[in-house]
Amino acid sequence: AQSVTQLGSHVSVSEGALVLLRCNYSSSVPPYLFWYVQYPNQGLQLLLKYTSAATLVKGINGFEAEFKKSETSFHLTKPSAHMSDAAEYFCAVSISGSGGGADGLTFGKGTHLIIQP
Amino acid sequence: EPEVTQTPSHQVTQMGQEVILHCVPISNHLYFYWYRQILGQKVEFLVSFYNNEISEKSEIFDDQFSVERPDGSNFTLKIRSTKLEDSAMYFCASSATGLNTEAFFGQGTRLTVV
Repeated sequence: AQSVTQLGSHVSVSEGALVLLRCNYSSSVPPYLFWYVQYPNQGLQLLLKYTSAATLVKGINGFEAEFKKSETSFHLTKPSAHMSDAAEYFCAVSISGSGGGADGLTFGKGTHLIIQP
Repeated sequence: EPEVTQTPSHQVTQMGQEVILHCVPISNHLYFYWYRQILGQKVEFLVSFYNNEISEKSEIFDDQFSVERPDGSNFTLKIRSTKLEDSAMYFCASSATGLNTEAFFGQGTRLTVV
């Protein structure tokens, strides 16, 4: 069974500073990995996904994530934080090659990103 | 831009009652999902649905729960005999294809069981 661990339920950074949100996964088969963002009172929106192509994945709003198999990590970064980045961020994993059907995503507990002016 | 629509946004029900949560997935999508998020906890997969039948379900999705696609547009989650611990945000999602493609989520229905 797969699982996701997000380190830090809350992360606070200053506007303009580097954003780093940590995600480690556990999977018995090669994983597909996702980052979702949830703004207040809204649904989950896909930021980016890793599907075994390039290990460095670029997403929307200037975010990117790097898949590191040796570290079983998929950390989310953004070089310069903006006030509008304040939201809840979820890392999720889905196993690959399950033979078809609709795999459910396994989510981490989420990290609340706070941007200080 | 197409989106997944969920109604109601907030549902309050008494313990033991049945509730039906409604979702309208994106029109050309084929796969449908329900997730829930208990306050302060992680988002949990409940069930996926394809070709008018359940494709996969989690341990949470027991006999208390059922899903239905009563017509060409709606996708419902029924919870029978609700319990206090069913209080959560319930998210519907849909995707164009199945495995590892982007799932589009609705804004959620907050269910409060009193």
